[in-house]
Amino acid sequence: DTGVSQNPRHKITKRGQNVTFRCDPISEHNRLYWYRQTLGQGPEFLTYFQNEAQLEKSRLLSDRFSAERPKGSFSTLEIQRTEQGDSAMYLCASSSGQGAVGEQFFGPGTRLTVL
Amino acid sequence: GESVGLHLPTLSVQEGDNSIINCAYSNSASDYFIWYKQESGKGPQFIIDIRSNMDKRQGQRVTVLLNKTVKHLSLQIAATQPGDSAVYFCAENRFKYQGGSEKLVFGKGTKLTVNP
Repeated sequence: DTGVSQNPRHKITKRGQNVTFRCDPISEHNRLYWYRQTLGQGPEFLTYFQNEAQLEKSRLLSDRFSAERPKGSFSTLEIQRTEQGDSAMYLCASSSGQGAVGEQFFGPGTRLTVL
Repeated sequence: GESVGLHLPTLSVQEGDNSIINCAYSNSASDYFIWYKQESGKGPQFIIDIRSNMDKRQGQRVTVLLNKTVKHLSLQIAATQPGDSAVYFCAENRFKYQGGSEKLVFGKGTKLTVNP
């Protein structure tokens, strides 16, 4: 399968713990995005990378959240001191970014439950 | 603030009927829209897109219509099948030429149920 992959698929943690998610984009895609989706809502943009550069961060991304894409390939999203309000599906997407916009391909998501 | 939204949260149709899912947007400068399908437990899947220089675009069993005058777009699914049951989102792709960033802004979604 050459699509976007995310690990783990599910994570249950206790409030106050740190968690880290990984996203492996489609190999030739230079653009990578993180979104958060809560039940019954559409995905909300968190952050965007072009190669290794983080070009935009949403105001949703508090100082407890950090995302990296060190070599311009896979990306990690870390949440420190998790809170119950962080419970959501975290989606990663990638695109080839031909021109100004490109179709974004989504991974299956990581579902986080904070107890 | 600017938003992309949907008129109805749920839609139930009979197998074989045509389905129409509507979406309104508020930013008159929006120029690129995408419809996504999301099945339970999966990430959103691209269905079809349309740019603001077009009024209509057709794919396989799907048609997207864009009315820029009233800032409305719709997704039409012909001969709806049980496999079409999912949540459908319209999204606007916002690209910033200054800085080169881009993101999708999603509406809340419409849950389509196809009854056999």
